Amino acid sequence: QKEVEQNSGPLSVPEGAIASLNCTYSDRGSQSFFWYRQYSGKSPELIMFIYSNGDKEDGRFTAQLNKASQYVSLLIRDSQPSDSATYLCAVVNDYKLSFGAGTTVTVRA
Amino acid sequence: GAVVSQHPSWVICKSGTSVKIECRSLDFQATTMFWYRQFPKQSLMLMATSNEGSKATYEQGVEKDKFLINHASLTLSTLTVTSAHPEDSSFYICSATGTSTDTQYFGPGTRLTVL
Repeated sequence: QKEVEQNSGPLSVPEGAIASLNCTYSDRGSQSFFWYRQYSGKSPELIMFIYSNGDKEDGRFTAQLNKASQYVSLLIRDSQPSDSATYLCAVVNDYKLSFGAGTTVTVRA
Repeated sequence: GAVVSQHPSWVICKSGTSVKIECRSLDFQATTMFWYRQFPKQSLMLMATSNEGSKATYEQGVEKDKFLINHASLTLSTLTVTSAHPEDSSFYICSATGTSTDTQYFGPGTRLTVL
């Protein structure tokens, strides 16, 4: 059983729209959750981290955490072509990151 | 803040040679560093975890004698791929965490090609 699962992609959205990315995790004891963005051929770049239930906003990005449902999401508002990338959900387990397979987002101009 | 660098960014070597990759935390002290490998169109695979001054902890299936990791200071970790073979060609990425945080910041990666 995979520890972290993300909604399968690819996800194509028009410029200016909202991109919604979902992630579930299996370890109910997990406390730290991250979203990374990875452009093709590049290393992951941290977008957001969230530790508490609820929403956390940073610019055009909003992360949502629901520990009871073991669910993490990322919303990208006003999507831009530069947001086209693979988005990785990651959960800390025993000091190590468990990654989802990633969701590839394409923003159509 | 939280910048991690890697050197070199790419390297091409002949089969049977060894290659050393450096990972540095530039503006924070990295208590723990991680080494990952990523093959094309696949997810990151954790190879090992290293703490400053301690032996690295390798993930199952990763040969510790082939992938030598040294974490000699709070800002530097090195990965040496010994007797490299074409199947070792991959994208090697390090990450680091500072004190009192489990947020991992990634280096830009090193692309290794073994001929």
